[in-house]
Amino acid sequence: GAVVSQHPSRVICKSGTSVKIECRSLDFQATTMFWYRQFPKQSLMLMATSNEGSKATYEQGVEKDKFLINHASLTLSTLTVTSAHPEDSSFYICSARDRGLAFYEQYFGPGTRLTVT
Amino acid sequence: ELKVEQNPLFLSMQEGKNYTIYCNYSTTSDRLYWYRQDPGKSLESLFVLLSNGAVKQEGRLMASLDTKARLSTLHITAAVHDLSATYFCAVRQGNSGYALNFGKGTSLLVTP
Repeated sequence: GAVVSQHPSRVICKSGTSVKIECRSLDFQATTMFWYRQFPKQSLMLMATSNEGSKATYEQGVEKDKFLINHASLTLSTLTVTSAHPEDSSFYICSARDRGLAFYEQYFGPGTRLTVT
Repeated sequence: ELKVEQNPLFLSMQEGKNYTIYCNYSTTSDRLYWYRQDPGKSLESLFVLLSNGAVKQEGRLMASLDTKARLSTLHITAAVHDLSATYFCAVRQGNSGYALNFGKGTSLLVTP
């Protein structure tokens, strides 16, 4: 149980275009999902916290107009990178928090490798 | 602001040797995690430590937690090549809906 999927696993896009990444909790309901970004050889940095049915909360320094997050259901959150630039190339990892567990454990997806050319 | 510091950041060790990775964090948290990451992959959960004095072991890895010292250790016993990976500790934030704050990671290379 507690499986989180991401789609696509890898995407290459041209500078100026937009890319949508999906994060799904497959066997549990997730009221909260988190989006992290990881640059090569670096750690994971939290970008935003996404709550079902409400606006996402962005970390300082993360442009909310550039990284659009939608959490329309208890099993799906999407991250859209708008007007992507090469510096947005990174590994994007989502995690989902299980509302059913007392300790609100979270589970990580397999990640999406974004390359902007 | 919750800060998580790991050391060492890079570790090259011979097979069969023992070593410890340290993780310090700056403010109180109710749980600490250890993850493994292989190149190009996402995180693999290793341990969740919930209370002071907690110790968990899986194979050649053992993790412990001292909440008073705000310190966790990941001890590697008789290292083998398959343990080569990057290891992250992470501490759960009380705000941000319980998101995780990660250390910088320890890149471990086990050589023959």
